[in-house]
Amino acid sequence: KAGVTQTPRYLIKTRGQQVTLSCSPISGHRSVSWYQQTPGQGLQFLFEYFSETQRNKGNFPGRFSGRQFSNSRSEMNVSTLELGDSALYLCASRLDGTYEQYFGPGTRLTVT
Amino acid sequence: DQQVKQNSPSLSVQEGRISILNCDYTNSMFDYFLWYKKYPAEGPTFLISISSIKDKNEDGRFTVFLNKSAKHLSLHIVPSQPGDSAVYFCAAQLNQGGKLIFGQGTELSVKP
Repeated sequence: KAGVTQTPRYLIKTRGQQVTLSCSPISGHRSVSWYQQTPGQGLQFLFEYFSETQRNKGNFPGRFSGRQFSNSRSEMNVSTLELGDSALYLCASRLDGTYEQYFGPGTRLTVT
Repeated sequence: DQQVKQNSPSLSVQEGRISILNCDYTNSMFDYFLWYKKYPAEGPTFLISISSIKDKNEDGRFTVFLNKSAKHLSLHIVPSQPGDSAVYFCAAQLNQGGKLIFGQGTELSVKP
């Protein structure tokens, strides 16, 4: 079974721009969660989607948003990018009714 | 408020010996705990998990122990191999929600 895939793997953007990251979960997994990893804050939860609905949200500003499609693929969007948004963005999927989350390789976002 | 803590940023072990990675938590309502292994610029890889109703779970060379009264869990790797060298994260979850709360990670180095 194919794992979680994320595109693009690397991205360089300028302050003030917006960015959209994409995630395809493991086949059959309907829950998709997004995390941000930075050296200072570690791994932090952004939000979770299930059946096209946001089910859980972390403590991030409204510039961070996401959505999920009927095929369970998910996108996250960051608007008005700031230098502090430079991070590794990770997507994880899980089978509903289970706890284990399986992560993709991440998208490395650099904001200049 | 750091609900999940890994107090040792690094650990060095000789090949063939036991590696013990520790994790403490503050929220007694956590009902599931997971360990992940991570290489730089990659997503975390799920290793092993334990429900709060158990005190031990074993999978090959990996064993996780949970001490609820002390709010402490540990990951034992026996025998340690050079390929185990990576950053290990413990994570906790509440009520099967999609939000994993991660510790800061412990970098394990296994010397040949």
